[in-house]
Amino acid sequence: NAGVTQTPKFQVLKTGQSMTLQCAQDMNHNSMYWYRQDPGMGLRLIYYSASEGTTDKGEVPNGYNVSRLNKREFSLRLESAAPSQTSVYFCASSVPSGTEQYFGPGTRLTVT
Amino acid sequence: KQEVTQIPAALSVPEGENLVLNCSFTDSAIYNLQWFRQDPGKGLTSLLLIQSSQREQTSGRLNASLDKSSGRSTLYIAASQPGDSATYLCAVRPDGNKLVFGAGTILRVKS
Repeated sequence: NAGVTQTPKFQVLKTGQSMTLQCAQDMNHNSMYWYRQDPGMGLRLIYYSASEGTTDKGEVPNGYNVSRLNKREFSLRLESAAPSQTSVYFCASSVPSGTEQYFGPGTRLTVT
Repeated sequence: KQEVTQIPAALSVPEGENLVLNCSFTDSAIYNLQWFRQDPGKGLTSLLLIQSSQREQTSGRLNASLDKSSGRSTLYIAASQPGDSATYLCAVRPDGNKLVFGAGTILRVKS
């Protein structure tokens, strides 16, 4: 039981490049989330998916798109990376009754 | 808009000391509150979750309290150890399954 896994662990992009961050969970959770964490700030919600086939914007969705590929997988895409998107990205999952959220190890992204 | 504040931003204590981390939130309409631990360069580990109807939760040397009416929660760590050194994050769930996080308290326990 791996929990929540994320790939890649590290990535460096040039401004304007695109990439997709992958997230998968094996806990049969319905809900999945993408957060970003910047220095001196708490985690901020980018997008979430309450269930397979649905996605909703969070607090900071601009510049990102998401895909809930199936119940296990939730990807985050940067279409045209900007230096302001340099951050650590965390994926999380939970059951819909809103108990604990379980987090992946994070992806450290630098945009130059 | 729900906002979460954690005080202090950083704390350094000698080993063995009991300590309290504080979390405050602006809107008392929450479903639950969760405390996390984050080690440098790592993800978040859930420590305790307190439902809105509860007053406290305990796990080992950790005790978290919740006072919804005043918008406050505390995390009490007893007999601190160097292994407790980490960043502690507080998060509230205002609706659905979304979490709103504080910026965290960086704890250093000196041996």
